[in-house]
Amino acid sequence: DAGVTQSPTHLIKTRGQQVTLRCSPKSGHDTVSWYQQALGQGPQFIFQYYEEEERQRGNFPDRFSGHQFPNYSSELNVNALLLGDSALYLCASSPTAPSDTQYFGPGTRLTVL
Amino acid sequence: GENVEQHPSTLSVQEGDSAVIKCTYSDSASNYFPWYKQELGKRPQLIIDIRSNVGEKKDQRIAVTLNKTAKHFSLHITETQPEDSAVYFCAASIEDYKLSFGAGTTVTVRA
Repeated sequence: DAGVTQSPTHLIKTRGQQVTLRCSPKSGHDTVSWYQQALGQGPQFIFQYYEEEERQRGNFPDRFSGHQFPNYSSELNVNALLLGDSALYLCASSPTAPSDTQYFGPGTRLTVL
Repeated sequence: GENVEQHPSTLSVQEGDSAVIKCTYSDSASNYFPWYKQELGKRPQLIIDIRSNVGEKKDQRIAVTLNKTAKHFSLHITETQPEDSAVYFCAASIEDYKLSFGAGTTVTVRA
């Protein structure tokens, strides 16, 4: 049973560029959440997708957008990259209620130069 | 929104001793409290969780306690081992899958 997978593992971009990160949820899970983890900090919630719609959003600007596909996989897009966007981006999947348990992927390390 | 505070930020214990990490939350509607362990360069891994209808939960050397009145919950690790060295995060959720995390505790187990 495959766990949550993410691609790519590492990414280096320059300011102003755009980036797309990808996530495949754990088998049987239909909800995908994205988190940003800056160095030395706890993960910060970006948004959550369920049934191909954004269900909830954290305090992140519109430069951060996402998508969920019919197979439950998801993408995170960040436009107009800033140096402060450098972080580990984590995807977490969870099964349909009544469970809140989230399982994390290995993350994508984004470096903005 | 929910605000989770975690203490201490670093914790050094002798192998075999116990470690305790404490978290407080702000929203009394929170009803799910997981703990994650993150080793350097790896994904956060769920080690134990508790729901608001339970006051304590134990899994081998790990236990979590919840005090809803005081809005705090704690992680207890007994008989610590070198492999327990990692960063531990507490989190809280209001039954909507959004997790609000604490800032983390770096635990070092000295041999």
